[in-house]
Amino acid sequence: AQSVAQPEDQVNVAEGNPLTVKCTYSVSGNPYLFWYVQYPNRGLQFLLKYITGDNLVKGSYGFEAEFNKSQTSFHLKKPSALVSDSALYFCAVIGNNRLAFGKGNQVVVIP
Amino acid sequence: DGGITQSPKYLFRKEGQNVTLSCEQNLNHDAMYWYRQDPGQGLRLIYYSQIVNDFQKGDIAEGYSVSREKKESFPLTVTSAQKNPTAFYLCASRTGSNYGYTFGSGTRLTVV
Repeated sequence: AQSVAQPEDQVNVAEGNPLTVKCTYSVSGNPYLFWYVQYPNRGLQFLLKYITGDNLVKGSYGFEAEFNKSQTSFHLKKPSALVSDSALYFCAVIGNNRLAFGKGNQVVVIP
Repeated sequence: DGGITQSPKYLFRKEGQNVTLSCEQNLNHDAMYWYRQDPGQGLRLIYYSQIVNDFQKGDIAEGYSVSREKKESFPLTVTSAQKNPTAFYLCASRTGSNYGYTFGSGTRLTVV
C-alpha cells in the first residue's frame, strides 16, 4: 500500500532562513507526489506536485520540492522563510486512485 | 467561482445522534472523497466515490455512511456507531486529468 512519512512533528526556523520539510514515500509504480499547506480550521491548499519530468518542482508562494527517486524522498524547501509560512504542511502520494497523506509537519517561523 | 462547499463549518451534536455533513462541488469532477483529520494523525480516508451511484470504503469507514446520487453531492453521515466522532472532516474532489485535487474548507464536528 502507498504511504508517506514525515519524520518531524515540528520544524522551527528563523524568519529569513531556509526552510526544509522532509517527506519520504513508499508506493508501487511511478510516484505521484504532492505538498499541501493548511492554516487553522481551513481546508488544504495545493502547493506543488510531481507527476513526471524535472526533479525540481516549483510551486506556489516561493516553495519548491526535489524529487529523489533513489532516496524515495520529496522534501519541500523555501530559500527564505516568512512568518506567514507558519502552518501545517502535508506530503501526499497517490496510489490505488487514492491520495494518502503523511501525518503533517507543523512549521513555526520565528520573527 | 468553481469550488467545493462544505456545510456547516461547525457542528455540535449529542452523543448517540446521527449527523450528516454536506459536500457540494460545481467543478464537474467525477471523483469525491471524505477525509477525517485528528491532531498528529494526518488525514485518513473514510469513503470515496469515483462515479455517481458508486462508492468505496476507505481506511476508516466503520461508523460512517455515504451516498452519491448526484455528481455534485457527496454527503457523509456520522452514525451513532462511530465511537469517536469528534474531528475535523474534509471533503475533496478530483478531476480525471492531471491529478488535480480540490479541498473544501472543512466541517468541525463536536459530539458532547
